[in-house]
Amino acid sequence: SQKIEQNSEALNIQEGKTATLTCNYTNYSPAYLQWYRQDPGRGPVFLLLIRENEKEKRKERLKVTFDTTLKQSLFHITASQPADSATYLCALVVDTGNQFYFGTGTSLTVIP
Amino acid sequence: DAMVIQNPRYQVTQFGKPVTLSCSQTLNHNVMYWYQQKSSQAPKLLFHYYDKDFNNEADTPDNFQSRRPNTSFCFLDIRSPGLGDAAMYLCATSRGSGRALNEQFFGPGTRLTVL
Repeated sequence: SQKIEQNSEALNIQEGKTATLTCNYTNYSPAYLQWYRQDPGRGPVFLLLIRENEKEKRKERLKVTFDTTLKQSLFHITASQPADSATYLCALVVDTGNQFYFGTGTSLTVIP
Repeated sequence: DAMVIQNPRYQVTQFGKPVTLSCSQTLNHNVMYWYQQKSSQAPKLLFHYYDKDFNNEADTPDNFQSRRPNTSFCFLDIRSPGLGDAAMYLCATSRGSGRALNEQFFGPGTRLTVL
């Protein structure tokens, strides 16, 4: 069956440290992968995307890697801040480009 | 500002009483989506429209229907809500495949309570 799994437990880190979130998938062939941020009671907000033929993408303090052999993406937030506290979702986009399948999300808390 | 708007933000309905949730967008995007998200779970894709072309997910219950009368509006109809349908319903849009790499723009969601 198809699965998208993210860190199973909430992640608590100290301010200033790097947060690393994982996204593992099975039985999908994504054209690309996206990461979103979701705050309580609100819709997800797009952060970054990475194509299947890219190894790494960066945007300010964010970095995403994508390993199609391992079927895994890692999402890093460097120099984390309390304002980064939220749930982070990965989404796989399949070949049609119009269907998005989300992971369960990882709740991140950055402790001052 | 261009955006995705969902009304109402909170909806209470009774078991078995039909309910309609609405979504509008000012982004002029080709694709509109409906997701169901239960507490601490992933958003689950119910269906999407590419322009007027309706695409249903295989595991979306028949109880859920959708209409897209024009580019700007999309509706989610729940014909006979059950207690298990209580959730946050998220509407999203995207430009559509073939138009660079898509990102989705989400509305704030409608939280549905079934009594």
